[in-house]
Amino acid sequence: EIVLTQSPATLSLSPGERATLSCRASQTVSSSYVAWYQQKPGQAPRLLIYAASSRATGVPDRFSGSGSGTDFTLTISRMEPGDFAVYYCQQYGASPRVFPFGGGTKVEIK
Amino acid sequence: EVQLLDSGGGLVQPGGSLRLSCVASGFSISTNYMSWVRQAPGRGLEWVSLLYSGGSTYYADSVKGRFTISRDDSRDTLYLQMNSLGAEDTAVYFCAGSLTRYYFEYWGQGTLVTVSS
Repeated sequence: EIVLTQSPATLSLSPGERATLSCRASQTVSSSYVAWYQQKPGQAPRLLIYAASSRATGVPDRFSGSGSGTDFTLTISRMEPGDFAVYYCQQYGASPRVFPFGGGTKVEIK
Repeated sequence: EVQLLDSGGGLVQPGGSLRLSCVASGFSISTNYMSWVRQAPGRGLEWVSLLYSGGSTYYADSVKGRFTISRDDSRDTLYLQMNSLGAEDTAVYFCAGSLTRYYFEYWGQGTLVTVSS
């Protein structure tokens, strides 16, 4: 079963800075099956990126996803106050049918 | 606008049962993919179960044999029947819907299940 490892666990940034979040899979996965979510305290997760690089509806273009094989990246080009949150990557597994999540990266205000 | 409204959480004793509900509006649970995802206090996200539009069901190993996902199309409602609950099942449970089976587009607000004596 595929395990997703996110790094760093915590990222301290100032507004306006660039955020680079990593998600590494324990084995090669299809880019079509990788998604990223944002979760703020007390709220449900929000889908940001699907198929590794496609932005979900309404997601600002400062959010971008990239990667292939085992290494995937979420980039926030310029952090805005509302972007400080926890970010999770997720993958779809066809056999067995599972949906592992990474452990999350907390992006906090420096 | 798509809305998913979770309910049914509460305090239950170890070994007990609980049924969660998720009412959908602006989104057809009968023709799309519906899931439950949970989050233990202070922890990350864990997928629990998936229901295909055609009726196929899938479960995480941690809940297989204890939890059952189902839906009532006439009520636009998704359910999660949880039996033999243990402390490890304490979490906020989110229902999630999607047009594809690969990820989760729409989320409910979550309902808290606490298993404790």
